[in-house]
Amino acid sequence: EIVLTQSPGTLSLSPGERATLSCRASQSVSSSNLAWYQQKPAQAPRLLIYAASRRAAGIPARFSGSGSGTDFTLTISRLEPEDFALYYCQQYGGSPLTFGGGTRVEL
Amino acid sequence: EGQLVQSGKEVRKPGESLKISCKASGYRFFSNWIAWVRQMPGEGLEWMGIIYPVDSDTRYSPSFQGQVTISVDKSTDTAYLEWSSLKAADTAMYYCARTYCDNFGCYRAFDMWGQGTQVIVSP
Repeated sequence: EIVLTQSPGTLSLSPGERATLSCRASQSVSSSNLAWYQQKPAQAPRLLIYAASRRAAGIPARFSGSGSGTDFTLTISRLEPEDFALYYCQQYGGSPLTFGGGTRVEL
Repeated sequence: EGQLVQSGKEVRKPGESLKISCKASGYRFFSNWIAWVRQMPGEGLEWMGIIYPVDSDTRYSPSFQGQVTISVDKSTDTAYLEWSSLKAADTAMYYCARTYCDNFGCYRAFDMWGQGTQVIVSP
């Protein structure tokens, strides 16, 4: 099983700042099969990024993903008030599919 | 665009059975796999398993193999998650989710999620 470790656990930032979230895999994720999600309280997750760097339909350009192998990054270029939430990475290159433990972006 | 609509909150006692549903609408049900994801109170996301509606090909996470059953009813575009004997540790929010497809292919990332079904198991 591929274990995903997200860091930091919590990121304290202000609107307009840049957020950099990390996701490290215990083994290489094949074909960059990695996704990022945003989850707000009492809501289902929302897909932001798939295939490590492709934005899902309707996702603003301030969200970007990068990385390959075992190290992946989600960057939010300038935080908007609605971006304060929990973020999860997920790999789908190996079975079982696994999620990271999450990074909270807070004010 | 489509949506996945899940059945409502359930409260059960340990040892009871339960089947929750996820009804798809607004897209071709057979085009995408459907997964189930657990979120225990205050915790992260856990992938339970995934099913292909065309032929009911089903894959389970080892953590959930033998603990739950995933199925579909092709006549109603509905996926199901079932327990034969609930435990208190099954108390959680359960989401169904659809795999994402773009112009280049399909991926086991999930672009459409149900609203979640809360399951409470308590004596």
